[in-house]
Amino acid sequence: SQKIEQNSEALNIQEGKTATLTCNYTNYSPAYLQWYRQDPGRGPVFLLLIRENEKEKRKERLKVTFDTTLKQSLFHITASQPADSATYLCALDLTDRGSTLGRLYFGRGTQLTVWP
Amino acid sequence: DVKVTQSSRYLVKRTGEKVFLECVQDMDHENMFWYRQDPGLGLRLIYFSYDVKMKEKGDIPEGYSVSREKKERFSLILESASTNQTSMYLCASSPDREKAFFGQGTRLTVV
Repeated sequence: SQKIEQNSEALNIQEGKTATLTCNYTNYSPAYLQWYRQDPGRGPVFLLLIRENEKEKRKERLKVTFDTTLKQSLFHITASQPADSATYLCALDLTDRGSTLGRLYFGRGTQLTVWP
Repeated sequence: DVKVTQSSRYLVKRTGEKVFLECVQDMDHENMFWYRQDPGLGLRLIYFSYDVKMKEKGDIPEGYSVSREKKERFSLILESASTNQTSMYLCASSPDREKAFFGQGTRLTVV
């Protein structure tokens, strides 16, 4: 069965440093991989999507890499700030490539704390 | 901005009650989803729908049903609530495969 692992439940870093979160998966080859942010008591918010034929994607201070050989995605937040503190979820889209409906499978998330 | 609205933030129901969780989206999205989120288990898909009156089972459909009579509204029904259905319920909608928009969640407690 599909297994999605995010490297750790919690990550604590100092403000200004780069946070690196890991998402590993087994058994399948996702067409897309997405990253979401979730604040306590709120729904997840979409951040970035990367496709299977893309190696890297950037958006402002965020960078995502996707290595389909290693079956791993890395999510980086550069120049981190206390406001970046949240839980970050990776999600794999394992739907058939011809489908317009994306069915997502989520990892359990990594809780990031950025301290001043 | 896309808005996905869930009818309640907090809900307390008694065991055996029939419970309705409502979700409305305002962006004419085809696809809608219901997840539950539990500590240590992450988000798990209960049901999804890709069109009006169409529905598909997710990974944990037992004890739940859904209704989609209008494109903008997707309802989750707990036929006979049980304590193991105490959870955070999240609704999402998406126009395609490239992102999903989530509601604020409903924290349901069954006593």
